[in-house]
Amino acid sequence: GQSLEQPSEVTAVEGAIVQINCTYQTSGFYGLSWYQQHDGGAPTFLSYNALDGLEETGRFSSFLSRSDSYGYLLLQELQMKDSASYFCAGGMDSSYKLIFGSGTRLLVRP
Amino acid sequence: SAVISQKPSRDICQRGTSLTIQCQVDSQVTMMFWYRQQPGQSLTLIATANQGSEATYESGFVIDKFPISRPNLTFSTLTVSNMSPEDSSIYLCSVRTGDEGYTFGSGTRLTVV
Repeated sequence: GQSLEQPSEVTAVEGAIVQINCTYQTSGFYGLSWYQQHDGGAPTFLSYNALDGLEETGRFSSFLSRSDSYGYLLLQELQMKDSASYFCAGGMDSSYKLIFGSGTRLLVRP
Repeated sequence: SAVISQKPSRDICQRGTSLTIQCQVDSQVTMMFWYRQQPGQSLTLIATANQGSEATYESGFVIDKFPISRPNLTFSTLTVSNMSPEDSSIYLCSVRTGDEGYTFGSGTRLTVV
């Protein structure tokens, strides 16, 4: 089967750093993506890891370890507008379809 | 990245009826994907739509319930047939843009009464 598990909720303080974890069990996996979704909005692409290691995009960084079937999204200098749901998504070989994780709701408090 | 126009944005439908959702992309794309997202939940892939061939459905989704058309490389429709309240959900289309990211339509919020 294919599954990607995330913590359901994370709370952090404005200005802090937060890490959202994703563990996966998928076949044909070729990369891990991260998406942000505000309430009532569409998912928007944040970051992608095709290879093991850290990818940095501004305040957001993402990490992948294929040997551990694990990745995380790191959000730095948290802002109130970062309150949203965050999804990891596994890319599948040849079909290019994305399988989404269970999602993490991030609440940033003042 | 691609821009997707999805409509309708929302609808309230009677049980037993059907609703067709449209997605128009501003560039040609090989594959389009249709997802369902129930309130507070993650996205579940319904099917992959390729131009010129039948859609490929995921486990738990069937063509009779969710027929898909893909007449050209910029357009696709998803029909939710013979609706019941359990079909109330948000439906989203998506396309792969480049090697990394996927772009999503704004979604169709469907309520079946």
